Amino acid sequence: NAGVMQNPRHLVRRRGQEARLRCSPMKGHSHVYWYRQLPEEGLKFMVYLQKENIIDESGMPKERFSAEFPKEGPSILRIQQVVRGDSAAYFCASSPPGYYEQYFGPGTRLTVT
Amino acid sequence: AQSVTQPDIHITVSEGASLELRCNYSYGATPYLFWYVQSPGQGLQLLLKYFSGDTLVQGIKGFEAEFKRSQSSFNLRKPSVHWSDAAEYFCAVGEHAGGTSYGKLTFGQGTILTVHP
Repeated sequence: NAGVMQNPRHLVRRRGQEARLRCSPMKGHSHVYWYRQLPEEGLKFMVYLQKENIIDESGMPKERFSAEFPKEGPSILRIQQVVRGDSAAYFCASSPPGYYEQYFGPGTRLTVT
Repeated sequence: AQSVTQPDIHITVSEGASLELRCNYSYGATPYLFWYVQSPGQGLQLLLKYFSGDTLVQGIKGFEAEFKRSQSSFNLRKPSVHWSDAAEYFCAVGEHAGGTSYGKLTFGQGTILTVHP
């Protein structure tokens, strides 16, 4: 059973461009979580999604960030008009229904130049 | 809101020595508690978890943790550290609501473990 997959692993964007981060959960997992790891700030929750639904987006910045988890395909975290402060590691985690433990992917390291 | 404190930012031990990493949490109900380990440039790997029952839980790689409700603590221990244990360790508390699988995690700041030969 393959683990949580994220791509790309590294992404470089210029200020003002868009970044699209993809996450494929483990087989059988219908719950996806996104976290951001900023230098000196630790891991922070961003958003929790189930198939076609956003359950909790309390950790998402109010502007420029959006997330989706369509019926088919991976979950996408989209950052519009990136700024230098968006440079961070973005981790996706997944869990099956009824489980509390989350399994993490390897992360996408976004660098904004 | 829940919170997690890992008082030690950096710990150095000698290979073969015992290890204890501290974690204190704040949560209104019975917490779901986790320890994860992260190697440089990698994702997080689950070491162990506590949901209920026996307060001493065993995990992978020889780690164990003890839940102490009276102290709001969930300290991670290992009797003999190996050089490959050098990594960053995160304690986390998970939210839950009425038996659903809702599990937003709140992480501590992490403890970096250095192992000397």
